[in-house]
Order: sequence, then structure tokens, then C-alpha cells
Amino acid sequence: EAGVTQSPRYAVLQEGQAVSFWCDPISGHDTLYWYQQPRDQGPQLLVYFRDEAVIDNSQLPSDRFSAVRPKGTNSTLKIQSAKQGDTATYLCASSPDSMKQYFGPGTRLTVL
Amino acid sequence: GQQVQQSPASLVLQEGENAELQCNFSSTATQLQWFYQSPGGSLVSLLSNPSGTKHTGRLTSTTVTKERRSSLHISSSQTTDSGTYLCAIDRTGGNYKPTFGKGTSLVVHP
Repeated sequence: EAGVTQSPRYAVLQEGQAVSFWCDPISGHDTLYWYQQPRDQGPQLLVYFRDEAVIDNSQLPSDRFSAVRPKGTNSTLKIQSAKQGDTATYLCASSPDSMKQYFGPGTRLTVL
Repeated sequence: GQQVQQSPASLVLQEGENAELQCNFSSTATQLQWFYQSPGGSLVSLLSNPSGTKHTGRLTSTTVTKERRSSLHISSSQTTDSGTYLCAIDRTGGNYKPTFGKGTSLVVHP
């Protein structure tokens, strides 16, 4: 069984640029999570979906971040105008039962 | 909000020594998981242990719910155990929405 895949693996931007991250969850997993993990910190939940519906996006900076999962499968997380404080690893996880999570390898973002 | 404190922040061992990692949390948890994060970044769930004691391989987790603490014991450490160990708590009891600690960085020397 294929695991959670994410792309790109690395991104380097100047402040003000936009970037999109893509996540392909494990087939059949209805729940999908996006986390932000700054260096030397634990992952912090940004948003999660059940199928195509957003269940919780209370920690997503809505002025610059957006996330979609239009068909309840793949998901895209977008940063409209990146800031240096957005430098972090962005992790995607999927779950079949809202309990055990399976994580992707992450996208490491550096904003200069 | 939910606070999760892990200690120690870092730990250095010689191969064969045991490790004891601690996780303290600020309010009652309905779910508690221990994760391993490799130096390359990928997270893997090790154990789910909201209460009591659980074993898997060389890992033993003990959670005392009333005292809001959990420990992860690694016996006979190996160099491949090196990485970061993260504790994650959920208390929603419905939609799983975990809060992670900062982790313990473990280095095992040969």
C-alpha cells in the first residue's frame, strides 16, 4: 500500500511570493490533516478535512493561507504571500478512523 | 488551550543504555500517542496509550491519567533509535485533533 505522498519536498522563496503544497493521502482515508512544524517544535495543526469538508481551520492564518480538498482525496495548501515566519516543515497526514495518523515526508519551506 | 510538556529536551546515550522520556499535559486526555520522527522528518506512530501500560518491542509506555503524565521507556537503545520522540494529546473525544509537545531529541552513540 502506498503511503502519504507530498510535493514538493523542498521550497525556497522570497518574502511575498506564493507557494502551493500538494498532498496525496492513502487511498480510502477520509480524514486529512495539515500541520506546520517550525524548527525544534512539535507539529501544530493548521486545518483538517473529513472527505471534502473542512472540520477545523481555526489555526489557519486565513489572510494568507488556504487549503482545499475538492473531491475528498488530494489536498492543496497554499500560502499567498509568504513571510519569513512561515519557514517550517509542512506535514500532511491521513487517517481512516480519526485515530491513527499516517504522515507524509513533509515539505521543507524556507522563506528568505 | 491544551499544553504538552516533554522532558528532557535532549538525551545522549551509549548503545545498550535505557532511555526514559516524559510527557506532561495540562488537562485530561482522551487519547495519547507517542510518535517517532526520523532525522529526515517523517513521523511514525509508536504507541497509543491513553491510560495504563503498553508494550511493543523494546518500548514501554505508562500513562497515569489522573496525574496527567505519560512516560516512554526505551530499553537497550540502538543507534537506529536516534531521532525525535513526540507526545501528542487529544481531549476532544470525537474529532481527533491532537496537540503535540516539542519532543525529546535522542542521540544514541555506538
